Formats: sequence, structure tokens, C-alpha cells
Amino acid sequence: NAGVTQTPKFRVLKTGQSMTLLCAQDMNHEYMYWYRQDPGMGLRLIHYSVGEGTTAKGEVPDGYNVSRLKKQNFLLGLESAAPSQTSVYFCASSLNNWFTGELFFGEGSRLTVL
Amino acid sequence: QQQVKQSPQSLIVQKGGISIINCAYENTAFDYFPWYQQFPGKGPALLIAIRPDVSEKKEGRFTISFNKSAKQFSLHIMDSQPGDSATYFCAARGAQKLVFGQGTRLTINP
Repeated sequence: NAGVTQTPKFRVLKTGQSMTLLCAQDMNHEYMYWYRQDPGMGLRLIHYSVGEGTTAKGEVPDGYNVSRLKKQNFLLGLESAAPSQTSVYFCASSLNNWFTGELFFGEGSRLTVL
Repeated sequence: QQQVKQSPQSLIVQKGGISIINCAYENTAFDYFPWYQQFPGKGPALLIAIRPDVSEKKEGRFTISFNKSAKQFSLHIMDSQPGDSATYFCAARGAQKLVFGQGTRLTINP
């Protein structure tokens, strides 16, 4: 039972570089989310998806793009990384709309932008 | 703007004591209020949750108290144990997504 798997777990980037974080879930969940966690700020929603082929903006979407080409995968992209994007990124999923309060999280991806 | 405000940011409690974490919200459209527990190096995990038509929910040593008129809810951990040391997040559900509070780092001293 893998649940929600995030890759990579750690990454160091230079300002201006691009990268993609991959989230995969094996629970056949409809909804997927990307959050960032920063000290004193809690978990803030970046983007989310309510089904394959759909995406929507969360609280802090600027500087990020996402894609959900397959139901089990949700990709988070940084086109031109900035130091302000240094954070721990968490992917989460939920079964469907009724269960949107019950999120299953991955173990996080720690990104440092120099 | 923070839609869910959580306090305190950090809390130290002696083993066997009661830990209390508070949250407040503004949006009356929120319809589900979960608490998540996070250990270092791990993702948050659902701990306990309550719906706004209930004033209290208890699961073992963990209790949520909910005050709809005041738009506040709190987590009480009875007989706190060192294994409860973690970061706790309150959250509120609205429009297909969860909004989280700022988090509370709880330390239980043995």
C-alpha cells in the first residue's frame, strides 16, 4: 500500500531553474492537491484537481503550474524558481467531493532555491 | 488573509496534562472541521473531525469542542503523552478544498 508518493524528496535549485514535482496515488482518488508548508504559515493550497484533465487555482498559485493527464498523477511545475519558493511541498488526495475533508498526504518534497 | 486562525503557535505541556489548541474561522459556509497531526519528516494525517451541527466529539483522549455562534473550535488532548508531541493543524472545508490554520507545535515533557 503505497498511498501517496512524491518524487523527488529533496531538491536544490538555482534561481531561474525549472523543475517538476511528481505526485502519484494508488487509491483511485478523484481529487488531488498541492500544498506548501512554511513556518508560521501552515499549509497553503497552491493548485488542485477534481478529476483527470481538470485543474484549479488555490490560495498561492503564482509561479506554479500543474497538470493532471492521468487520474493517478498530479504534477507541480516551477518554470523559473525563486528563493521565495523554498518550502516543503505536500501532495494530498481525497476519494471524492464528499470526502474532501479527509485528505491523504505524501511525505513531502523539500525544495531549496538558492 | 488567513481564513482559519490557530493559536498558540507552540505549546509545552507536562506529561499527564491537558493540551488545548484553539482555532477561529470567518466563513460560515465551511461545513466540516478536521484536525491533522504531523510528525517530523512525515505528511499530516487526519486525527479527528467534527461537523458544525455537533458541539463536541470525543475519540479516546482527543476531543473537539465546537462553538458555531462564536465560529471557534478547539482540540483538547487529555492525559497528554510524549508520543503526542507533534505539529497539529486545524482545518475547515469549503468549496471542494480544505483551508488550514497556521499549526501548533506541541511538546509533551516527560
